[in-house]
Amino acid sequence: LAKTTQPISMDSYEGQEVNITCSHNNIATNDYITWYQQFPSQGPRFIIQGYKTKVTNEVASLFIPADRKSSTLSLPRVSLSDTAVYYCLVGEWDNYGQNFVFGPGTRLSVLP
Amino acid sequence: SQTIHQWPATLVQPVGSPLSLECTVEGTSNPNLYWYRQAAGRGLQLLFYSVGIGQISSEVPQNLSASRPQDRQFILSSKKLLLSDSGFYLCAWSGGLADNEQFFGPGTRLTVL
Repeated sequence: LAKTTQPISMDSYEGQEVNITCSHNNIATNDYITWYQQFPSQGPRFIIQGYKTKVTNEVASLFIPADRKSSTLSLPRVSLSDTAVYYCLVGEWDNYGQNFVFGPGTRLSVLP
Repeated sequence: SQTIHQWPATLVQPVGSPLSLECTVEGTSNPNLYWYRQAAGRGLQLLFYSVGIGQISSEVPQNLSASRPQDRQFILSSKKLLLSDSGFYLCAWSGGLADNEQFFGPGTRLTVL
């Protein structure tokens, strides 16, 4: 299964833009890249998904270079409530169908 | 709309006791189903996934097992719990081809004493 690599933790201040990069060197042609946010004792929550180039929604932007071996989640002007763990997820195929592997996650701490 | 249920929400069990956690999905058919575990302060670990009834793939060797007796039911079991089984267990479902988004249940917090 393809693995992902993310920074273990990041610190930021309120109002700043935060960029979290995920490496996925073995991404397959049909794989999509998805980012989740998780607060303590809760299930992960979908943030954004993309295949290539740039995707933007009301919460974040996702930048994917042409080789798709990495992706960057961009959170504009973070607030204290954005303190959470952010997971990068890459779709994967095997003999059983589609499988997904979570990266280790990046613990983002937003400081006042 | 689709919903996913897990129960119980919390569970305290002694070492060596059996375990049964249940997950059901409503509003969709033939979902992919997943069991994850999260130890305190750590990332998500995929334990099992299933692409259909009776089809289970195990990602991590352990004393846990999973079963899918019905299309939208996924059960996580153990015959004898270990202290290291303590954690937060999440069930998730996803759709079919090229559908990368997973939807998570509320989770079960298991404490093994």
